[in-house]
Amino acid sequence: EAGVAQSPRYKIIEKRQSVAFWCNPISGHATLYWYQQILGQGPKLLIQFQNNGVVDDSQLPKDRFSAERLKGVDSTLKIQPAKLEDSAVYLCASRPRAPSSQGIRSYNEQFFGPGTRLTVL
Amino acid sequence: AQSVSQHNHHVILSEAASLELGCNYSYGGTVNLFWYVQYPGQHLQLLLKYFSGDPLVKGIKGFEAEFIKSKFSFNLRKPSVQWSDTAEYFCAVNARNTGFQKLVFGTGTRLLVSP
Repeated sequence: EAGVAQSPRYKIIEKRQSVAFWCNPISGHATLYWYQQILGQGPKLLIQFQNNGVVDDSQLPKDRFSAERLKGVDSTLKIQPAKLEDSAVYLCASRPRAPSSQGIRSYNEQFFGPGTRLTVL
Repeated sequence: AQSVSQHNHHVILSEAASLELGCNYSYGGTVNLFWYVQYPGQHLQLLLKYFSGDPLVKGIKGFEAEFIKSKFSFNLRKPSVQWSDTAEYFCAVNARNTGFQKLVFGTGTRLLVSP
């Protein structure tokens, strides 16, 4: 089974430029997450999609970050304009659909992609 | 809101030494608990998980963790580490009040095993 794919793996931009990251989750996984991992910290959730709808974007800096998952499969995360403090690894993760409401608890393992390391100069 | 604390930010051990990494969480309700590992240059991988039942769970590569509900802890252990265990280890929690969907991570512990 193919894992979560992300591209690019590395990106260097100057502040105030724009950047976009792409994620293709594991086939059939309905839930997709974007995380930001700043050096020395654990991953922090930015946004969660269920199919093509947003479930949680409470920690997404909406003045500069946007994300979409138009067809409920792959997703893009955009930063416009970038700031120095946006330097981080951006992780995408996906989770399979639970077979029933009773099965939700055991179907919440998330599978992570390799991440995109963004450096803002 | 849930939070996860990992007390050791950096750990240095010699091969064959025993390992215990601490993890405490703040949520008082039903939780699922995870340990993820990130080897140098690789992506996050699940090491082990606890959903219910036996509080002592065994994972890959000889790792185990014990859920102690009264202490809100889920410490990771390995009796004898190897050089290949050099990695960063993250404890993570999700809880019933978010439908077990929102994963909250600790800050991570960077383990260096010297040969």
